[in-house]
Amino acid sequence: DGGITQSPKYLFRKEGQNVTLSCEQNLNHDAMYWYRQDPGQGLRLIYYSQIVNDFQKGDIAEGYSVSREKKESFPLTVTSAQKNPTAFYLCASSLTGAYNEQFFGPGTRLTVL
Amino acid sequence: SQQGEEDPQALSIQEGENATMNCSYKTSINNLQWYRQNSGRGLVHLILIRSNEREKHSGRLRVTLDTSKKSSSLLITASRAADTASYFCATDAETSGSRLTFGEGTQLTVNP
Repeated sequence: DGGITQSPKYLFRKEGQNVTLSCEQNLNHDAMYWYRQDPGQGLRLIYYSQIVNDFQKGDIAEGYSVSREKKESFPLTVTSAQKNPTAFYLCASSLTGAYNEQFFGPGTRLTVL
Repeated sequence: SQQGEEDPQALSIQEGENATMNCSYKTSINNLQWYRQNSGRGLVHLILIRSNEREKHSGRLRVTLDTSKKSSSLLITASRAADTASYFCATDAETSGSRLTFGEGTQLTVNP
């Protein structure tokens, strides 16, 4: 089964803690993305990576970090520096270049207690 | 920065009616894409239209693109209750490579 998976589906965090969200794809895509979605809003880009061992900041990278050590994996760490981390986080992947659709995972809902 | 803006924010129609959603954007693009999101789920790609195309069809979906007005519309014909979802446009700016910028979305409700 080809696709993109995210875990966990729900995540609860205490203030001051770092948490890591997992994203894995077996579509052989070079590009991967992390988005944040707040209730009733569109998607905002946090980080993206177009090749292994390289990534770029998106529009709202502050308080987040990523790594891209393997083509299949693009974990996102929400650090304690992120002031308002409660949100729905979506990971996506695609082929690189223009004219390519993005494939999305099912999302992780993070709640800070 | 949000490049795409959608209109209306919410739309409620009866089954069998057509639904039209509009998207406006600000910079030159390679292509414009439409995605669907069911509540609490990931997005699903619906259709991609290139900047040199004016209209595209896929099943009950019809997308138009007017690059002179920097706008696009998505028409869903003969809507069904299962079409209830949020619909987002996303633009692939000429200088952004594969990076997409999403609009705020239109929440469509189709009443049985």
